[in-house]
Formats: sequence, C-alpha cells, structure tokens
Amino acid sequence: KQEVTQIPAALSVPEGENLVLNCSFTDSAIYNLQWFRQDPGKGLTSLLLIQSSQREQTSGRLNASLDKSSGRSTLYIAASQPGDSATYLCAVITSGTYKYIFGTGTRLKVLA
Amino acid sequence: EAGVTQSPTHLIKTRGQQATLRCSPISGHTSVYWYQQALGLGLQFLLWYDEGEERNRGNFPPRFSGRQFPNYSSELNVNALELEDSALYLCASDRSGGARETQYFGPGTRLLVL
Repeated sequence: KQEVTQIPAALSVPEGENLVLNCSFTDSAIYNLQWFRQDPGKGLTSLLLIQSSQREQTSGRLNASLDKSSGRSTLYIAASQPGDSATYLCAVITSGTYKYIFGTGTRLKVLA
Repeated sequence: EAGVTQSPTHLIKTRGQQATLRCSPISGHTSVYWYQQALGLGLQFLLWYDEGEERNRGNFPPRFSGRQFPNYSSELNVNALELEDSALYLCASDRSGGARETQYFGPGTRLLVL
C-alpha cells in the first residue's frame, strides 16, 4: 500500500531564503509525482508534474526532483517570498490505480 | 478556458440528512475525481468517474456515491450524514484518466454536518 510522507510538517523562514521541502513514498512503482500548493480554505494549484521517466522539473523559482529508486522527491524554492506562504502537497499515482495518493503536506510561512 | 467548477461553495446539513455536491470539469476533460480533505486527515481519494462509469473507489462506505452525466459533469452524494463527514470536498478533472496527465482541481465544497 502506497504511503506518502512529507517532512517537515511546518516551516517558517525569513523572506529571501532558499528552502527544500521533502516528500517520500513507499512504493517506487509510480506513474508520476505532482507538487501542489493549497492556500487556506481553497482548492489545489498544480506547481510541477514529474513523469516517472524524468528526474526533475523547473518552473520559475521552483525546482522539483524525483528519485524513484529511493522513493523521494524534493521541492526547492529559491528566494522565498511572503506570497509563497501556503501548504505544499505532494501526490503520487501508483501504477495501475490512476488516483493520487497525497502526503499530509508542509505548511510554509515566509516572513516579511 | 474555464477551470473546474464546484457548487455549492458551502453546505450546512444536520446528521442523517443527505448532501449533493456538484462538479463541472474543464471542457474536453472526460474524467472526474472526488477527494475528501477532512481536518487532520489530509486529502483522501473518494471516487473516479470516466466516460460515465465509476472506475475506482477509495476506502469509503457505500453511503458515498455519485454519478457522471453525459456532459461529463458529476455529482457526489453523501447519504445518512455523520459529523465526521464535515470536510472540504475537492473535485478534479483530466483529459483521459491516464496517469500521465495532470489533474486540475476545483475550489471545493465545504460541507459542515451539525
């Protein structure tokens, strides 16, 4: 059974810092892994999608890496801004299921 | 292009009642997914509909059910509501249900059971 864990559960950093969010999964047979952000009381916004054959994806200040063999993904946020404050969720689709299994998220607060 | 829409935004019901939540996918998307985000439990997969049929189901009792209409919109019905059904219900859609596509999420319906 696929389990997705995110560490840390919460993070508070001063503006301008570079930071890394971690996601680990127990079953390496995944189709893809996706990072989302969720603002309080809102739905999810997709940030980056990494296919199983890829090792990383970049979008602006965000970079996500995937190491299937070790069951890990990291989301790197460069030069953090207060507007980055949100909960960040990673989710994986395990082979054959077509449904996302979500981690419990990392609650990020960037202080001005 | 309009995103995934959900209605209502908020819903208040009492224990034992039934709730109906609605979702309209992005135009051209044929798959609709339902997720429950209860406080402290994270996002849990509920149901997947594709081309009008239920394709997969999460670990939820049968009182959680739904359907997908010919225009690919979807309804989630929750019967015999319990207090612990209070949650944010998110709907997502993608083009084919294939694992290579990203799912696009709606803003959610917040259900409160009193």
